[in-house]
Amino acid sequence: DAKTTQPTSMDCAEGRAANLPCNHSTISGNEYVYWYRQIHSQGPQYIIHGLKNNETNEMASLIITEDRKSSTLILPHATLRDTAVYYCIVRVPTQGGSEKLVFGKGTKLTVNP
Amino acid sequence: NAGVTQTPKFRILKIGQSMTLQCTQDMNHNYMYWYRQDPGMGLKLIYYSVGAGITDKGEVPNGYNVSRSTTEDFPLRLELAAPSQTSVYFCASSFVREKLFFGSGTQLSVL
Repeated sequence: DAKTTQPTSMDCAEGRAANLPCNHSTISGNEYVYWYRQIHSQGPQYIIHGLKNNETNEMASLIITEDRKSSTLILPHATLRDTAVYYCIVRVPTQGGSEKLVFGKGTKLTVNP
Repeated sequence: NAGVTQTPKFRILKIGQSMTLQCTQDMNHNYMYWYRQDPGMGLKLIYYSVGAGITDKGEVPNGYNVSRSTTEDFPLRLELAAPSQTSVYFCASSFVREKLFFGSGTQLSVL
């Protein structure tokens, strides 16, 4: 699996967009980019995933560069409840279909009032 | 739907004791996983299962055992607890190539 690099921490003002970068320069053509977050000591929560095209859902947008070597998770209007550790994971689905996601240390996002 | 339910939420064990962490899901997911998270670290995969009767090792399986007799349940067994197993344990489930749903975790201390 390709390795990902994320900043250790970031700050964002409440109501502003939070842009969380992730580098995955060794990504291969069939590897997906996944984003999860973990609020305090809760279990991680799925946010979004993508392969090539930009993706958007009710939680966030995922922008993947054309060369797929990096991506950005965008929370359009950050709230205090978005304070969490955000994990960027690159993974190729296994032949059997199971997803063995490996979580790094992620980015600690703090949303300030 | 209750989602993924883990019990107990907290447990203190003495070195050498045994225990089973329970995990059950009501979403009819085939895939289930056990992760552990040490303080300030990411999650590490212990074991996973692709369906009833099938289990496989993850990154850090030593000291643990699992079974999957039903689709719903995926218990994690610690036979001889050691201080190195002090951690927060998360169970998760998923469909193929879809998002993982995590339980709320079990905080385990081995003293």
